[in-house]
This record gives sequence, C-alpha cells and structure tokens, in this order.
Amino acid sequence: QKEVEQNSGPLSVPEGAIASLNCTYSDRGSQSFFWYRQYSGKSPELIMFIYSNGDKEDGRFTAQLNKASQYVSLLIRDSQPSDSATYLCAVRGGYQKVTFGTGTKLQVIP
Amino acid sequence: DGGITQSPKYLFRKEGQNVTLSCEQNLNHDAMYWYRQDPGQGLRLIYYSQIVNDFQKGDIAEGYSVSREKKESFPLTVTSAQKNPTAFYLCASIQGQTLTGELFFGEGSRLTVL
Repeated sequence: QKEVEQNSGPLSVPEGAIASLNCTYSDRGSQSFFWYRQYSGKSPELIMFIYSNGDKEDGRFTAQLNKASQYVSLLIRDSQPSDSATYLCAVRGGYQKVTFGTGTKLQVIP
Repeated sequence: DGGITQSPKYLFRKEGQNVTLSCEQNLNHDAMYWYRQDPGQGLRLIYYSQIVNDFQKGDIAEGYSVSREKKESFPLTVTSAQKNPTAFYLCASIQGQTLTGELFFGEGSRLTVL
C-alpha cells in the first residue's frame, strides 16, 4: 500500500464548476496535510495546508480532512482554465517525513 | 526576502561523474528535504534532515548522499551509483516544531545525463 494515494486523472471539469480532488494516506500518526499546485516544469506552489479535522476555506479553495477515514480532499469552486495543473497531496508524518502522492491532473474546459 | 535557493538550475553530467546540487535556505527552518521528480510523476523523497548533523533516508536514497553541517544548507550529491539520474530535483524546508509549518520549495535543479 502506498503511503499517499491520489487518482492520477486527468480530471476534466467545465469552467465554473466545482473540482473535487481526493487523497488517502496510510499512516494514522500523520500530523499535517498539504495541497500543492504544479504547472509543467515548475516548482510546486502551496495552495493550502490543514491539520485539524473538518474544513478549511481560503477563497475558492476548501480543504477537508477526515483523520478517522484517513483522507483529505480539495475542492475548487468556480474552476478557471488557469486552474489547469497537476495537484499534489502531501502528508507530514513521524520524524518530519513529508510524503507526496503521484498527483492528479486537472483540466478545466472553457 | 526569505526563501530557498537551489543551484545550478540546469546541469549536464557525463556518465560516471558525481555532481552536487546546492540548497540554501534563509527561513531559519529546522527540517530540509530533497525530492526527485520524473516526467509525469509525483515527488519521491530522497533524503530529509530534521536537524543539523542528522539526516534520514527517504524512499529512493540509493545512489545519493547528503550532508547537513549547517542549518541553512543541505547539499545533495548524485553519485555514479545512481543508474538513472536524469530528473528534476527539488529541495524543500519546513519549520519543524509546529503543526502549522508550511513546506516551502526552491525552484528546482534539472539534471541531464549525457
């Protein structure tokens, strides 16, 4: 079982729709969780991080964490073509180890 | 401005040569990381360090070595034992003692073996 799993996609949504990205993790002791956006050939940029159960909202983005079920999700409301990128989920576990999933490619169709 | 500086941005290597990638941060972060990314793939952890003079192997450490002699510096050496070193290498750091720490990345180093 991989430590962090994401659906590789591509996930296609029409412009203005809600995009839902999911991530599951195996280590129950994981402490904090990150969502990054990465454009081709560029370094990942942080969208949000979350460490408490529940929802965390920032503009068009909402991160949801459910530690009992070991999943974290990212919702993007009013999706724009500029949101088209690969979204990486990362999990911070014991000894400060930070592990990434393989990423989900999002395509927003104008 | 605080941040992470990686150098060089592009590097070409002949087979059999060792190369060292530099990573320097002025964020006063405790923990530092090296990741490798292949085309169309996610980030795979090579090595990480929580504090000075201590580091741990990640998931793909074979053929790589690191040192952490100073808090702000975490260089990565790609040795000749690494059979397929062509990749995009990313350095990152985080404030180690808090759950609210954000993981910051450098701009990356792209290594090509000729």
